[in-house]
Amino acid sequence: AQKITQTQPGMFVQEKEAVTLDCTYDTSDPSYGLFWYKQPSSGEMIFLIYQGSYDQQNATEGRYSLNFQKARKSANLVISASQLGDSAMYFCAMRDRMDSNYQLIWGAGTKLIIKP
Amino acid sequence: NAGVTQTPKFRVLKTGQSMTLLCAQDMNHEYMYWYRQDPGMGLRLIHYSVGEGTTAKGEVPDGYNVSRLKKQNFLLGLESAAPSQTSVYFCASSYSSAPLNNEQFFGPGTRLTVL
Repeated sequence: AQKITQTQPGMFVQEKEAVTLDCTYDTSDPSYGLFWYKQPSSGEMIFLIYQGSYDQQNATEGRYSLNFQKARKSANLVISASQLGDSAMYFCAMRDRMDSNYQLIWGAGTKLIIKP
Repeated sequence: NAGVTQTPKFRVLKTGQSMTLLCAQDMNHEYMYWYRQDPGMGLRLIHYSVGEGTTAKGEVPDGYNVSRLKKQNFLLGLESAAPSQTSVYFCASSYSSAPLNNEQFFGPGTRLTVL
């Protein structure tokens, strides 16, 4: 069965340091996509980055990059030069073709707190 | 372009009361979703719709009903609210779910408390 695991319930990181948020996934479908969303304290869900299973390179979007290790089934989010505004919940999600309507499967999230 | 909007933002119900949450999107998206978010858990899919006039059950559909009479609107109903339905409810929409990289766009959420 499809599954997303985020093993870090919470993290504290010093401002300006890089941070890695872990995400492992499980699927038997060779074709799948991985998403990261940010949820600030205001509550809205903000899409950050996407990685496809057949993408040749790791995805990057500004200060966000995805450390995609297919053999390990991990898709860790890396935030470079962290800022106070990065404090939020971060969710990893996956979509594959096992579900007939390609629904997103969500991890439990990691709460990131950036210290000044 | 408002994106995805939800009404109301907050609501307090007594056990047994009913209510309807309204979701509207102006992006001409085919797919719409209702999720609930509880502390320590990721989003769980309640119901979804792949087009006007269609609905389907998600992971946690019991106690909820939905309707998609217009493409831009997706309604979530609680017929007889229970304290276990205290949660934050998110509506989302997407152009489709295929190809795999179609992201979902989220509304701001509705915080519901059932006493």
